[in-house]
Amino acid sequence: GNSVTQMEGPVTLSEEAFLTINCTYTATGYPSLFWYVQYPGEGLQLLLKATKADDKGSNKGFEATYRKETTSFHLEKGSVQVSDSAVYFCALIVGVVQGAQKLVFGQGTRLTINP
Amino acid sequence: DGGITQSPKYLFRKEGQNVTLSCEQNLNHDAMYWYRQDPGQGLRLIYYSQIVNDFQKGDIAEGYSVSREKKESFPLTVTSAQKNPTAFYLCASSIFSSGLSEQFFGPGTRLTVL
Repeated sequence: GNSVTQMEGPVTLSEEAFLTINCTYTATGYPSLFWYVQYPGEGLQLLLKATKADDKGSNKGFEATYRKETTSFHLEKGSVQVSDSAVYFCALIVGVVQGAQKLVFGQGTRLTINP
Repeated sequence: DGGITQSPKYLFRKEGQNVTLSCEQNLNHDAMYWYRQDPGQGLRLIYYSQIVNDFQKGDIAEGYSVSREKKESFPLTVTSAQKNPTAFYLCASSIFSSGLSEQFFGPGTRLTVL
């Protein structure tokens, strides 16, 4: 089956530190990969995505590269800010079924940035 | 402004009562989804609907029901058969496409069963 595994949180860093949140996946077929972010008390927002191997998704200083050989999609940011504190979800889609897309999520990683 | 509205933000119910969570979108999206979020777990798909008057079970549909009478609306009913209904419920929508399209999420409803 399809599944996503993220590094366990919570992760606590100081402002301007380098961030890595690991994500690996298992999928039948060729998935598209996503990172979603959830700020406190809110729904999810798409942060970035990659649809094929070696693609790099980037947004708001965050990056992730689709690595087929290691089945990974690690999230990185060079210098985090307090406003980056949130829960981050790695997710995948394998195919589209009659126009609807079934996202498979990892368990989420809570990130706290201290000033 | 286009978006997804979920109401209420917080909902309390007594055990054994059915409760309906509202989800409305004005994005003109065809597909809509309901997810459940529990602490330390990712989101799990409850039901999804590609078009009006049609919907499919997701991975954890037992104890839930939905309807899709209008394109804009996809209400979720949590029935008394759901053994552990206390959770955060998120609604999402996307355009109908043979390719990949982004899912947009609502702000969620936190249901607590007392």
